Amino acid sequence: NAGVTQTPKFRVLKTGQSMTLLCAQDMNHEYMYWYRQDPGMGLRLIHYSVGEGTTAKGEVPDGYNVSRLKKQNFLLGLESAAPSQTSVYFCATWTLGERYGYTFGSGTRLTVV
Amino acid sequence: QKEVEQDPGPLSVPEGAIVSLNCTYSNSAFQYFMWYRQYSRKGPELLMYTYSSGNKEDGRFTAQVDKSSKYISLFIRDSQPSDSATYLCAMSAMRYNFNKFYFGSGTKLNVKP
Repeated sequence: NAGVTQTPKFRVLKTGQSMTLLCAQDMNHEYMYWYRQDPGMGLRLIHYSVGEGTTAKGEVPDGYNVSRLKKQNFLLGLESAAPSQTSVYFCATWTLGERYGYTFGSGTRLTVV
Repeated sequence: QKEVEQDPGPLSVPEGAIVSLNCTYSNSAFQYFMWYRQYSRKGPELLMYTYSSGNKEDGRFTAQVDKSSKYISLFIRDSQPSDSATYLCAMSAMRYNFNKFYFGSGTKLNVKP
């Protein structure tokens, strides 16, 4: 049982390049979330999804896009990376009836130079 | 003002000490409270959760919620070097049809052997 798997684990991008982060879960959870974690800022919600085919903006959505074409996958895209997007990105999942907490992936460490 | 405030630390204690970690919040609608533990370069993992006010104990860990003061605490008894991690508080009002959590920025704890 893998839980929540994020790929890649590390990436270095040049300013202006694009990339997609993949979150895959095998727990059949309805809700999926993308957070970024920066020193002193804690976890900030970028986008989230309450089910297959649905997405919504979180606290810091600018510069990111997401898609949830399949229930088990949640993709986070950076169309034109900026140094301000250097961060650690975490995917999380949740389902009604679960203990009141998220299940997190192990994170993607992204550096934009 | 942030929804959730948490002292970033770092907090350094000797092995065996009692540790007290705290968060304050501003939204009186919050009624689900969680503590996550995050080891270096890992994703957060749920440690404890409580609903509304009161205490909850799990082994060496005790979570307390004081809704009248908008203050939550996590106590660690007989702290061990393996407890060295960043501790994040999180809370939710369980409004709408999804569960959106508000996170503190985390307190880094170092337990010295």
